[in-house]
Amino acid sequence: NAGVTQTPKFRVLKTGQSMTLLCAQDMNHEYMYWYRQDPGMGLRLIHYSVGEGTTAKGEVPDGYNVSRLKKQNFLLGLESAAPSQTSVYFCASSDSNQPQHFGDGTRLSIL
Amino acid sequence: AQSVTQLGSHVSVSEGALVLLRCNYSSSVPPYLFWYVQYPNQGLQLLLKYTSAATLVKGINGFEAEFKKSETSFHLTKPSAHMSDAAEYFCAVSDAGSNYKLTFGKGTLLTVNP
Repeated sequence: NAGVTQTPKFRVLKTGQSMTLLCAQDMNHEYMYWYRQDPGMGLRLIHYSVGEGTTAKGEVPDGYNVSRLKKQNFLLGLESAAPSQTSVYFCASSDSNQPQHFGDGTRLSIL
Repeated sequence: AQSVTQLGSHVSVSEGALVLLRCNYSSSVPPYLFWYVQYPNQGLQLLLKYTSAATLVKGINGFEAEFKKSETSFHLTKPSAHMSDAAEYFCAVSDAGSNYKLTFGKGTLLTVNP
């Protein structure tokens, strides 16, 4: 009963490096989301997807790109990491009118 | 755009005392409302959701929330706090015109004292 799985759980990057965070869900959900969580800021939506092959910008999309080539996977990319992108990243998935299910998060530090 | 206000970034109660976590939303149309809980180093878990079926919603772990349209509020309560309730709690509202995107409040950290 995996639900939403995020890979990796922790990562340290140097400024300017690139990386991809992977989110996989096994619930056949249509919608997937990437959030970042910062102290005192709650969760802020970075990008989301309403179905395979589609993506859309959320509240804080700058510096990130996403892809949804397969329904079960949603990738978040950082092309040139900046210290301001140090955060905890959460992936979630849902169906229409249903609650979102969250992964356990990826803690990303950028030095 | 929707907004969610959680009054009090930190609430401290004694074990056995009433828990009250406040949430107000901005919407002209009754939205879908949710409370999530986050334990340390974990993702968010759904506590309960309001979808217009009933104004008093019961969730897991003894929590409940009451939807009050006139006050645009959806406060979370539990009659008797337990040490295991210590966590961060987030209120969320569905966006107008969207039945899948959520706007989250900034969260309330609940501390339970022995």
